[in-house]
Amino acid sequence: KQEVTQIPAALSVPEGENLVLNCSFTDSAIYNLQWFRQDPGKGLTSLLLIQSSQREQTSGRLNASLDKSSGRSTLYIAASQPGDSATYLCAVAGGATNKLIFGTGTLLAVQP
Amino acid sequence: SQTIHQWPATLVQPVGSPLSLECTVEGTSNPNLYWYRQAAGRGLQLLFYSVGIGQISSEVPQNLSASRPQDRQFILSSKKLLLSDSGFYLCAWSIAGVAEQFFGPGTRLTVL
Repeated sequence: KQEVTQIPAALSVPEGENLVLNCSFTDSAIYNLQWFRQDPGKGLTSLLLIQSSQREQTSGRLNASLDKSSGRSTLYIAASQPGDSATYLCAVAGGATNKLIFGTGTLLAVQP
Repeated sequence: SQTIHQWPATLVQPVGSPLSLECTVEGTSNPNLYWYRQAAGRGLQLLFYSVGIGQISSEVPQNLSASRPQDRQFILSSKKLLLSDSGFYLCAWSIAGVAEQFFGPGTRLTVL
């Protein structure tokens, strides 16, 4: 059974810092991995999708990497801003039906 | 462009009452549709998914059911709500064969 873990559970950083969020999964036979952002009381916003054949994806200040063999993904946020404060979730899909298994999230607070 | 709608946004229901939550997607055809629940202190859990009209797969045994009466409409129902049904319900869609999944704004359900 696939299990997804995110470390740390919470993180507080001063504005301008670069930071890394970690995601690990127990079964390396994944179809893809997706990173999301969730603001309090809101739905999920897709940030980056990495296919199983890819090593990384970039969007603006965000860079996500994937190492299937070790069961790890990282989300790198450059030059953090207070507007980046949110919960960040990673999720893996195990097949073509794209059923996602989510981690428990990292709550990020960027202090101005 | 594609949009996804959920309603109601919030709902407070007594134990034993029925439930109907609706999700509709605009701007795409034959999407895969998903219902997730986010309970307090717990991660997001997939409840149902559908790859076409009338085709529903249940991921976990529970007090809820789902239906897909039209191509872009997905309904989550219950005949009698339990306290444990409280949570944040999220609908999502993806293009069949394409990995990225997009989420709606969610419905906050409180069962008293």
